[in-house]
Amino acid sequence: EAQVTQNPRYLITVTGKKLTVTCSQNMNHEYMSWYRQDPGLGLRQIYYSMNVEVTDKGDVPEGYKVSRKEKRNFPLILESPSPNQTSLYFCASSGLNTGELFFGEGSRLTVL
Amino acid sequence: DAKTTQPPSMDCAEGRAANLPCNHSTISGNEYVYWYRQIHSQGPQYIIHGLKNNETNEMASLIITEDRKSSTLILPHATLRDTAVYYCIVRPRERGSTLGRLYFGRGTQLTVWP
Repeated sequence: EAQVTQNPRYLITVTGKKLTVTCSQNMNHEYMSWYRQDPGLGLRQIYYSMNVEVTDKGDVPEGYKVSRKEKRNFPLILESPSPNQTSLYFCASSGLNTGELFFGEGSRLTVL
Repeated sequence: DAKTTQPPSMDCAEGRAANLPCNHSTISGNEYVYWYRQIHSQGPQYIIHGLKNNETNEMASLIITEDRKSSTLILPHATLRDTAVYYCIVRPRERGSTLGRLYFGRGTQLTVWP
């Protein structure tokens, strides 16, 4: 089954404790992207990747890092999480010539 | 940079057609219009896309104006399960500088009532 898998789905952590949210897709998609969703602000793009070793900033990249060492994986790294990064995070992927985005189920992160 | 504009909310009676508008007046010639919807806090789900011709699939119809500056997503017989946030975005389907940056905005909250 074609899918985008995010882990963890739920996480409560404390300020400053590094964490990684993993994202994996099984559709051989070149494009992957991370979004955060906050009440009243819609979906905002954090980072995206056009292919392996190619990443670029979206609208709200501050406080986040990403890497794309393999085509299927695109982890989101919070080196020193802060409470303002409490949010619902979505990973998405697509082929470069198809356009339709496939989204993961979301990861709800709470930073205390 | 907002590339699409949608009303924040709409409602519709069950069984009636829901017509959701989207303005994309700055759309480029190689950009398609895509629609997604998000039910509660689930991951957004692809609905339909089009370039300049009207499109229809099992979920919805998409009407794009001749000048391509706006479009309408039509759910022909809305049900309670269609209550969701609907997002309209524009995106090229070929490699290029605009392929990566995507703007979803706040979308339109559609509420279908019994």
